[in-house]
Amino acid sequence: DQQVKQNSPSLSVQEGRISILNCDYTNSMFDYFLWYKKYPAEGPTFLISISSIKDKNEDGRFTVFLNKSAKHLSLHIVPSQPGDSAVYFCAASASETSYDKVIFGPGTSLSVIP
Amino acid sequence: DGGITQSPKYLFRKEGQNVTLSCEQNLNHDAMYWYRQDPGQGLRLIYYSQIVNDFQKGDIAEGYSVSREKKESFPLTVTSAQKNPTAFYLCASSMTAESYNSPLHFGNGTRLTVT
Repeated sequence: DQQVKQNSPSLSVQEGRISILNCDYTNSMFDYFLWYKKYPAEGPTFLISISSIKDKNEDGRFTVFLNKSAKHLSLHIVPSQPGDSAVYFCAASASETSYDKVIFGPGTSLSVIP
Repeated sequence: DGGITQSPKYLFRKEGQNVTLSCEQNLNHDAMYWYRQDPGQGLRLIYYSQIVNDFQKGDIAEGYSVSREKKESFPLTVTSAQKNPTAFYLCASSMTAESYNSPLHFGNGTRLTVT
């Protein structure tokens, strides 16, 4: 049973529009969340994180929203650019835990169409 | 530039052979990890090491072995006991083992094919 779910395996968005990538989790103990981005033939790179004391965290064009009651988070990319085309992994953990307890979702492949 | 180097990028082996995947980091990170990625699944933790000469099993350690004799090196051996070894293997490191303070840095992966 997947504890971290990304129910959309793929997403296509026009350049300049908003991309919204969703992530749901089942474990109520999770309270720290990370997003990683992966290009083909490369390893994932850290993008942005959020802890449960916040419901929003922004970094440039990237914003992550957390809805703890719904056990849902989303990554917004505005405006989307062709270079954003990649696979995005959501990950969750209990705060300050070690990485052996971090659970990754299966990823969503984003295509930004010029 | 600091980073993580995994080699080789592609590896082909016959069933029944052990194979070792290399991972080297020059980031001076204490913790290192091996993950496996299969289609439609998230990254799954095989083994991790928080300090030199110490390592722990992750969620799917069966059929794998590791060593951590040097801070910068964390090789993974895929043994013949691993039932489904064909996969994409990712090595990662972090400054410390705590996810809250120290994001993972990943290598570019090794794609292992066993026939």
